[in-house]
Amino acid sequence: KAGVTQTPRYLIKTRGQQVTLSCSPISGHRSVSWYQQTPGQGLQFLFEYFSETQRNKGNFPGRFSGRQFSNSRSEMNVSTLELGDSALYLCASSSSRTGENEKLFFGSGTQLSVL
Amino acid sequence: AQKITQTQPGMFVQEKEAVTLDCTYDTSDPSYGLFWYKQPSSGEMIFLIYQGSYDQQNATEGRYSLNFQKARKSANLVISASQLGDSAMYFCAMREGPNNDMRFGAGTRLTVKP
Repeated sequence: KAGVTQTPRYLIKTRGQQVTLSCSPISGHRSVSWYQQTPGQGLQFLFEYFSETQRNKGNFPGRFSGRQFSNSRSEMNVSTLELGDSALYLCASSSSRTGENEKLFFGSGTQLSVL
Repeated sequence: AQKITQTQPGMFVQEKEAVTLDCTYDTSDPSYGLFWYKQPSSGEMIFLIYQGSYDQQNATEGRYSLNFQKARKSANLVISASQLGDSAMYFCAMREGPNNDMRFGAGTRLTVKP
């Protein structure tokens, strides 16, 4: 079974641009979560999608948005990039079950650098 | 408010020795799950072990065990017989109740010395 696939692996953008990151979950998984990881702030939850609906949202500005398609693939978009958006963006998927024991399976991440 | 606290930014352990990584958490939800993940330098987060709030026994997975002290709200990870490949960042995480997202602590960088 293929794992969580994130593309691209590395990305370099300049301030003011926008970027779209892609995530393909494990086959059969319907939930996709996104996290931002920086040395200063650690792992911060962005949002979670389940069956094409945003189920949970973290404390990020509206420049950060996402969506999920009917095949469970998810995209994350950041508009008007700022230097502080430089980070490792991790995508994680989980199965269709919902519960406090539901573990996440992570991709390798997209390393975004904003110049 | 920070719900997951990992007080050890870095830890060193000698190869083949055991090491304990600390984690405390805060929740008022009676139903929650606690997780530990390993992140090598490659970046991918690898699931290690899970403990449910209602589990009576401490979880174990091979060389990993979780020292769960519910009254103290602590969930320490114990790695026995450390290997060089155990050098990585380790994150404690919690999911409160159903349909809630998973939140992570700041992490502990473990270095295994030969």
